[in-house]
Amino acid sequence: QQPVQSPQAVILREGEDAVINCSSSKALYSVHWYRQKHGEAPVFLMILLKGGEQKGHDKISASFNEKKQQSSLYLTASQLSYSGTYFCGTMEYGNKLVFGAGTILRVKS
Amino acid sequence: DTAVSQTPKYLVTQMGNDKSIKCEQNLGHDTMYWYKQDSKKFLKIMFSYNNKELIINETVPNRFSPKSPDKAHLNLHINSLELGDSAVYFCASSRMGSKNTGELFFGEGSRLTVL
Repeated sequence: QQPVQSPQAVILREGEDAVINCSSSKALYSVHWYRQKHGEAPVFLMILLKGGEQKGHDKISASFNEKKQQSSLYLTASQLSYSGTYFCGTMEYGNKLVFGAGTILRVKS
Repeated sequence: DTAVSQTPKYLVTQMGNDKSIKCEQNLGHDTMYWYKQDSKKFLKIMFSYNNKELIINETVPNRFSPKSPDKAHLNLHINSLELGDSAVYFCASSRMGSKNTGELFFGEGSRLTVL
């Protein structure tokens, strides 16, 4: 069963912040975040593990609340290069990564 | 050096034809996948192989047949193509076991258009 992402789309101006949420009805052991730019392949951003700490990469960070079965991706002081579709993924048995429907992020100058 | 490479990048074909997409990875990974991305950008896993063994076989029409001749290659053959098969097909690879970081490395995708 795929995780649920919100919002479906968000438009920002450069320098603004955004939060993308990901939730699951199943118990989560890990949450994976990917970004896909238009016409390109998805690219790994980070993985958050159960019992692990909040991760960060430059001005993009994420948190994982195991009890609520939720993860959030935080984009701080967004740049034009952040534009793309963000996917969260949850790992199921057999190393099967199931993705959410994606959140389209557009950063305007 | 491209880590995960797919050929062809574009395929345009008629309904009813048979086509294949090839994938190769030079990362030394032991697990490879096929994902289908439809027009709404939904990324759905189709198959995965670990060391040439089929691990994941999602609810996919049996017109789709994956083949892994060795752990560096995973091909996808599609028989009797239908309009609904039009999509971008992504190959990906990862490492399982104790060195598994969970990261999937995707190929550039193969855009299939069925007319």
